Amino acid sequence: NAGVTQTPKFQVLKTGQSMTLQCAQDMNHEYMSWYRQDPGMGLRLIHYSVGAGITDQGEVPNGYNVSRSTTEDFPLRLLSAAPSQTSVYFCASSYPGNQDGAFFGPGTRLTVL
Amino acid sequence: AQSVAQPEDQVNVAEGNPLTVKCTYSVSGNPYLFWYVQYPNRGLQFLLKYITGDNLVKGSYGFEAEFNKSQTSFHLKKPSALVSDSALYFCAVRDPAYGNNRLAFGKGNQVVVIP
Repeated sequence: NAGVTQTPKFQVLKTGQSMTLQCAQDMNHEYMSWYRQDPGMGLRLIHYSVGAGITDQGEVPNGYNVSRSTTEDFPLRLLSAAPSQTSVYFCASSYPGNQDGAFFGPGTRLTVL
Repeated sequence: AQSVAQPEDQVNVAEGNPLTVKCTYSVSGNPYLFWYVQYPNRGLQFLLKYITGDNLVKGSYGFEAEFNKSQTSFHLKKPSALVSDSALYFCAVRDPAYGNNRLAFGKGNQVVVIP
């Protein structure tokens, strides 16, 4: 199993540009989430999903969209990038009854100029 | 709402000395508590968890954590630190009403083990 994969690893955008961060998992997990990591603030939940076709907002959803058309994929879209969205983004997956928290991808480092 | 506090920014410890990383939490109901470690340019790796049972839980790489319900704390400990333990450590909590897709994390503690 590849686990949770994220692409790209690094990305530089200009203010106002749009892009999609990709996340995929091959463990057939129902739960998937997106977090952003900022220095001194830990990880904050952006959006999450409990299954294909079902998504909901987390703690910091503004400026981001998600969709979950398949169990495997959970892309995160930035519609109009802003410098405040410069961060490291982590995707995670899990399943009901899992007691070991969540499985995390390697992250995408995004810089918005 | 669930939340986690990690009061220190950085923990410096000499190699071979005991290591403690502090964590306090707030959650309604009985918490699920986790510690994760992040090495440079890597994702988060699960270290250990407390769900129920013994207050002292043991995890990977010789780490352990003590759950204290009255103090709402879940401090991470290692009896003898190694230089390779230098990393960023995150405490996380999950409200049992939520799934593992809704973890609340602390800000993280940078641990520096000095040779």
